[in-house]
Amino acid sequence: QVQLVESGGGVVQPGRSLRLSCAASGFTFSSYAMHWVRQAPGKGLEWLAVIWYDGSNKMYADSVKGRFTISRDNSRDTLSLQMTSLRAEDTAVYYCARADWANGVTVLDHWGKGTLVTVSS
Amino acid sequence: QSVLTQPPSVSAAPGQKVTISCSGSSSNIGNNYISWYQQLPGTAPKLLIYDNNKRPSGIPDRFSGSKSGTSATLGITGLQTGDEADYYCGTWDSSLSAGVFGGGTKLTVL
Repeated sequence: QVQLVESGGGVVQPGRSLRLSCAASGFTFSSYAMHWVRQAPGKGLEWLAVIWYDGSNKMYADSVKGRFTISRDNSRDTLSLQMTSLRAEDTAVYYCARADWANGVTVLDHWGKGTLVTVSS
Repeated sequence: QSVLTQPPSVSAAPGQKVTISCSGSSSNIGNNYISWYQQLPGTAPKLLIYDNNKRPSGIPDRFSGSKSGTSATLGITGLQTGDEADYYCGTWDSSLSAGVFGGGTKLTVL
């Protein structure tokens, strides 16, 4: 079955960087677009970024554009999110999610359990 | 301020029906498919409805979706206490070139 497992979360100081990973299994990772979504404590879902199945296209929310970079390694079935210049408002649970096809942007059909990032001094 | 607008909360008694609205614009709901997600307390979101009105395997037909113009609606019939959750609508915004979600609706089954 489809499994997505995020890792890399933790406590980080403002202005520092952090790299999140998402290990995928149970499906052909290289055939699907992948997304990152976050949820601040007690708040709603916020879409962050998408990467096409082959990494050829990447799009970002304005709130993270220029600070966050989405990438993938199809040889290792791994999705990543490099986060720089972190701010207190980036504190959230970060989810990776699979799209329903190679360039999918409207359906996130499988989600990981999330990893918590806390930005605090 | 979310791009898609949902009511913060809805409530109904067990066995009753409830609807949750999601309002957007021509750049998102008006020209793209809508999805709905259920987030039970303390868990990750789960796909409930996709392509406006389709249910993934395993989702009971008590859950339904519809879309008209720039608005969408999630319907839940035969409410159960286990349906208490936050519900989110989501889609793509072609003007923003970004994914968008509603602010979420908390369903209480009284």
